[in-house]
Amino acid sequence: IAGITQAPTSQILAAGRRMTLRCTQDMRHNAMYWYRQDLGLGLRLIHYSNTAGTTGKGEVPDGYSVSRANTDDFPLTLASAVPSQTSVYFCASSVRSGTTDTQYFGPGTRLTVL
Amino acid sequence: GDSVTQMEGPVTLSEEAFLTINCTYTATGYPSLFWYVQYPGEGLQLLLKATKADDKGSNKGFEATYRKETTSFHLEKGSVQVSDSAVYFCALFSGGYQKVTFGTGTKLQVIP
Repeated sequence: IAGITQAPTSQILAAGRRMTLRCTQDMRHNAMYWYRQDLGLGLRLIHYSNTAGTTGKGEVPDGYSVSRANTDDFPLTLASAVPSQTSVYFCASSVRSGTTDTQYFGPGTRLTVL
Repeated sequence: GDSVTQMEGPVTLSEEAFLTINCTYTATGYPSLFWYVQYPGEGLQLLLKATKADDKGSNKGFEATYRKETTSFHLEKGSVQVSDSAVYFCALFSGGYQKVTFGTGTKLQVIP
């Protein structure tokens, strides 16, 4: 069982370029999330999807877009990368047990925008 | 809104020392509480959780008790090892949009 996979592992990107970070889960979780992790700021939610076909904005959505065509995949796209988007990006999925959602994380993508 | 406050790091301990990482929260209703651990270069892994007041979550020698009266979920371990060196995140889930609120993380360094 792989859990959540992310690709690429790391990427250096020129400002202004378009980039898609890939995320795939094999746990059949309905909900998926994208976070960015920056030193001193912890994890901040970019976008989420409660189920296939629906998406929502988190606390830092500007400059990012997502799609959820099926249960397993949740790609994150930077339409025109800027240096402030240099960060480590984590994809997560969650499962509901009773009234609690528990999130599970991928290994991350380290993105540098020059 | 919901928030989680963790003690500032880094925390440096000698091997076999007692560990406490403080976590307090603000939330509406009755949230579920979590501790995640992030080893260098890796993603976050769920360490333990508690879903209601007075519950104790435990795993790998770590434990935390959900204290509603003090809105706290402090992480403890009786004897840390070098392999416990990592960043620890406290988090809460209060329902609604299936979003988890994370603290900023506490880096733990254990020296031999």
